[in-house]
Amino acid sequence: DAGVIQSPRHEVTEMGQEVTLRCKPISGHDYLFWYRQTMMRGLELLIYFNNNVPIDDSGMPEDRFSAKMPNASFSTLKIQPSEPRDSAVYFCASSRDEKLFFGSGTQLSVL
Amino acid sequence: QKEVEQNSGPLSVPEGAIASLNCTYSDRVSQSFFWYRQYSGKSPELIMSIYSNGDKEDGRFTAQLNKASQYVSLLIRDSQPSDSATYLCAARRPGGGADGLTFGKGTHLIIQP
Repeated sequence: DAGVIQSPRHEVTEMGQEVTLRCKPISGHDYLFWYRQTMMRGLELLIYFNNNVPIDDSGMPEDRFSAKMPNASFSTLKIQPSEPRDSAVYFCASSRDEKLFFGSGTQLSVL
Repeated sequence: QKEVEQNSGPLSVPEGAIASLNCTYSDRVSQSFFWYRQYSGKSPELIMSIYSNGDKEDGRFTAQLNKASQYVSLLIRDSQPSDSATYLCAARRPGGGADGLTFGKGTHLIIQP
């Protein structure tokens, strides 16, 4: 298995632009998570899905953030409009039990 | 707010010595505990899990759990430069899967050759 696949690996954008991050979970995993990691706040859970259904989005910082999972093999995290404080590494992870498998992450820089 | 606390470090240990990483958690009902290793610029990867009080050994790694003290530790014996990384501690509340995980901010470990 190829593991959790995220794209892009790096994204540099200007404030106010829309950013879309993509994730393909491991086949057979029924949970998908979006995390954000910064030096100051560590690894924060933004939202997670179970069987493609959003279960808890309480970690989404504000309405500028949205996430979708249209099918079992694809999810997106969108930020619109982006702000400099959104700069971070965004990880997608999947699981079928308590063990998380992380993707390589997207390094987002908002200028 | 359920929290997992770790000393951010850096923790510097000479090669071949024992590295000791510590973690405390605030949610007394947490049942399972995990250590993830994260190399610089990479994603976290699971290296140890522990569910009951006492020690659990896996190769050079030993996880220790003391639920009465709400304390988890990771010992790395015969530490190698390749062990240099950030180590994240995570606690899971009962009844949840990976959705019940709370992560600490991690301890940066440096193994000096």
